[in-house]
Amino acid sequence: ELKVEQNPLFLSMQEGKNYTIYCNYSTTSDRLYWYRQDPGKSLESLFVLLSNGAVKQEGRLMASLDTKARLSTLHITAAVHDLSATYFCAVVGPDSNYQLIWGAGTKLIIKP
Amino acid sequence: NAGVTQTPKFRVLKTGQSMTLLCAQDMNHEYMYWYRQDPGMGLRLIHYSVGEGTTAKGEVPDGYNVSRLKKQNFLLGLESAAPSQTSVYFCASSYQRQQMNTEAFFGQGTRLTVV
Repeated sequence: ELKVEQNPLFLSMQEGKNYTIYCNYSTTSDRLYWYRQDPGKSLESLFVLLSNGAVKQEGRLMASLDTKARLSTLHITAAVHDLSATYFCAVVGPDSNYQLIWGAGTKLIIKP
Repeated sequence: NAGVTQTPKFRVLKTGQSMTLLCAQDMNHEYMYWYRQDPGMGLRLIHYSVGEGTTAKGEVPDGYNVSRLKKQNFLLGLESAAPSQTSVYFCASSYQRQQMNTEAFFGQGTRLTVV
């Protein structure tokens, strides 16, 4: 059974600092997604990572995928308040039959 | 662009009542999904559809039924609501599978409370 674990689940940080959110998954997968959710809002796709070693960057966010370690990271550089949100990773396993398995989410609060 | 639209946005039901949530997408996506989101648990797939006239069970299908009579619409039904079905429900759609670059696009959510 594919399981996805994110850590930390809650992160409070100061503006200008760097930090990393981790997403571990339990079985083989070559597709991983990162989404953002603002409070009371829907989910917005941030990154799609399709292969080992994939790295994608958008502004102050950079996501990477290591399929051998079954690990993805979402790195935040010089955080700003607007990045405060909950970040989810989701993984499709080879036998999951179209199902995305979601992490519990990381609630990120960035203080001025 | 409308994208994925869910109705209603909020609803309060009494235990045992029934209701239908409507999801409509205008992106001509083949695949549609219904998720529920509960605090601290991420999203869990209820049912999904890979095309008009087809549906399949997801991770937590019990107590729900779905129909996809038209490609653009995916309906989620609760025949006899229970307090355990209090949740936020999200509909999503994607082109073909949730693979390659075809990420899912989500609706705004329906907040359902069953009392």
